[in-house]
Amino acid sequence: AQTVTQSQPEMSVQEAETVTLSCTYDTSESDYYLFWYKQPPSRQMILVIRQEAYKQQNATENRFSVNFQKAAKSFSLKISDSQLGDAAMYFCAYRSPRFVYMRFGAGTRLTVKP
Amino acid sequence: DAGITQSPRHKVTETGTPVTLRCHQTENHRYMYWYRQDPGHGLRLIHYSYGVKDTDKGEVSDGYSVSRSKTEDFLLTLESATSSQTSVYFCAISVQDRGGTGELFFGEGSRLTVL
Repeated sequence: AQTVTQSQPEMSVQEAETVTLSCTYDTSESDYYLFWYKQPPSRQMILVIRQEAYKQQNATENRFSVNFQKAAKSFSLKISDSQLGDAAMYFCAYRSPRFVYMRFGAGTRLTVKP
Repeated sequence: DAGITQSPRHKVTETGTPVTLRCHQTENHRYMYWYRQDPGHGLRLIHYSYGVKDTDKGEVSDGYSVSRSKTEDFLLTLESATSSQTSVYFCAISVQDRGGTGELFFGEGSRLTVL
């Protein structure tokens, strides 16, 4: 079964600086989808960014971008110009096109220091 | 806003009692999911549904059952709650359109405490 690993339980960053959250996954498939979700203290799960494995170009959404390394099975999230509102749990997730459900990593808690 | 509401949002119950959590959606999506969130484990799939009366087990389904008698409602039942089922439960839907990535849209979560 596919597994998703987030090796950093906690990270911190200074406001306005850049931070990178790591995610690796295990799969034998060539086509799949990857996601980053944000969970602020409100508990709401918010989709941050998505990446289709067949696309070479790394996805970008405003200050959020990914570094997708398919051969290394790595999918890291870079947050530029960090803001206090970025403080949250971040979850990496994988979805196979063969299955209709998503598998999540354990999460990384990001603290933003003013 | 994906039109997903969960109820109750908070519940405290005692070991051995039955508990039902309800998920309601307003947009007639076919796929609905129940996940539980626990520290160190992220979100783990309990059960999912791909249509009325069509459900399947996820990775942590023991002790849980589900029902979907209408497109808009997906119920999660703990027949006899145990302390290990203390968790935050999330309902989610996905839009499995052709060519879509199938991202999930979540409800606000239901915190269940089993004493």
